[in-house]
Amino acid sequence: DAGVTQSPTHLIKTRGQHVTLRCSPISGHKSVSWYQQVLGQGPQFIFQYYEKEERGRGNFPDRFSARQFPNYSSELNVNALLLGDSALYLCASSPEGTAAYNEQFFGPGTRLTVL
Amino acid sequence: GENVEQHPSTLSVQEGDSAVIKCTYSDSASNYFPWYKQELGKGPQLIIDIRSNVGEKKDQRIAVTLNKTAKHFSLHITETQPEDSAVYFCAAKGYQKVTFGIGTKLQVIP
Repeated sequence: DAGVTQSPTHLIKTRGQHVTLRCSPISGHKSVSWYQQVLGQGPQFIFQYYEKEERGRGNFPDRFSARQFPNYSSELNVNALLLGDSALYLCASSPEGTAAYNEQFFGPGTRLTVL
Repeated sequence: GENVEQHPSTLSVQEGDSAVIKCTYSDSASNYFPWYKQELGKGPQLIIDIRSNVGEKKDQRIAVTLNKTAKHFSLHITETQPEDSAVYFCAAKGYQKVTFGIGTKLQVIP
């Protein structure tokens, strides 16, 4: 079975640009979460989506937005990129969005570099 | 919000020895505690988890303990092997949101 897939693998942008990152969850999983992992730190929660609705949001500015499509894939958008947005962006899928005990399965991530 | 502290930040052990990583959390509402292993260039991989109604869980060489009263949980790896070398993250989950620790870089010396 295919795991969580993310595209692109790597991306280089300049300050002020916009970026779109994509994620396809494990087949049958309806929930997708996005995380930002800065080098040397643990992943930081950005968003969770379940059945196309936002179910959680972390402490990130409005420049960060996301959406989930009917096939449960998801996009993360970041506007007006800053140098500090350089990080590994991780997508995780889980089978349910409302259960208390959700195992999350992570994709390989998209490495974003902002110059 | 939830705060998860993890230590040590780096850990070197001889092959065959045990490794212990400890975490504390702040939100008493957290009820699910996963541990992840992250190898270079890859996403985190779930290796073991524990729920708040359980005190200990074991899976072959890996075990996790949870003390809800003290808000502590720990990862124990026995008979370490070179392939155990990676960064390990603890995490705590309340309603929907998962908060990660800063990570422990484990090096197993052959």
